[in-house]
Amino acid sequence: DVKVTQSSRYLVKRTGEKVFLECVQDMDHENMFWYRQDPGLGLRLIYFSYDVKMKEKGDIPEGYSVSREKKERFSLILESASTNQTSMYLCASSLGLAGHYEQYFGPGTRLTVT
Amino acid sequence: DQQVKQNSPSLSVQEGRISILNCDYTNSMFDYFLWYKKYPAEGPTFLISISSIKDKNEDGRFTVFLNKSAKHLSLHIVPSQPGDSAVYFCAAKTNAGKSTFGDGTTLTVKP
Repeated sequence: DVKVTQSSRYLVKRTGEKVFLECVQDMDHENMFWYRQDPGLGLRLIYFSYDVKMKEKGDIPEGYSVSREKKERFSLILESASTNQTSMYLCASSLGLAGHYEQYFGPGTRLTVT
Repeated sequence: DQQVKQNSPSLSVQEGRISILNCDYTNSMFDYFLWYKKYPAEGPTFLISISSIKDKNEDGRFTVFLNKSAKHLSLHIVPSQPGDSAVYFCAAKTNAGKSTFGDGTTLTVKP
């Protein structure tokens, strides 16, 4: 079974702090994704990575950056956290990008920025 | 502009009856559609998918129907069970690989 783990289930940070969200997958998947989930807005793609050190912006990359130094690990960085980044953050991985490849999700990190 | 819409935020059905969840999309470049199920405190898990070259795909109690001309797909669950109570997300993909998700529909199956 594919396992995607996220470093924290709950996180509380202050405005202006630098925040790191870590994601690890154990199935040698090429592709990894970061989403945020907000009520009424569904899942929105922040960034994704199709290979080590490769990244592409998703639909809402502003205020975020990512790092993928190893295949199994994909980090989401909030350079200076703001209250509008309070959200549920979901990491996912997939074997391929073509249509039939589904994504495997981690349990999510509930981030609160105060 | 939301390219994938699930217009019903919630749906409640009786155990044993059919659940029908709907999804509409606007981008004609979408060529694959997937449904995910999400329980509280867990990440979404893949349920069933359909290619744009098909109009139906079935897997046990779950069937997805695609109407390309109407840009509409639906997920049928028959018979519905209390364990099916969850949030269901519709997702659409282009051949570039990015998935666009709907807002989700919360299904409640009453015993």
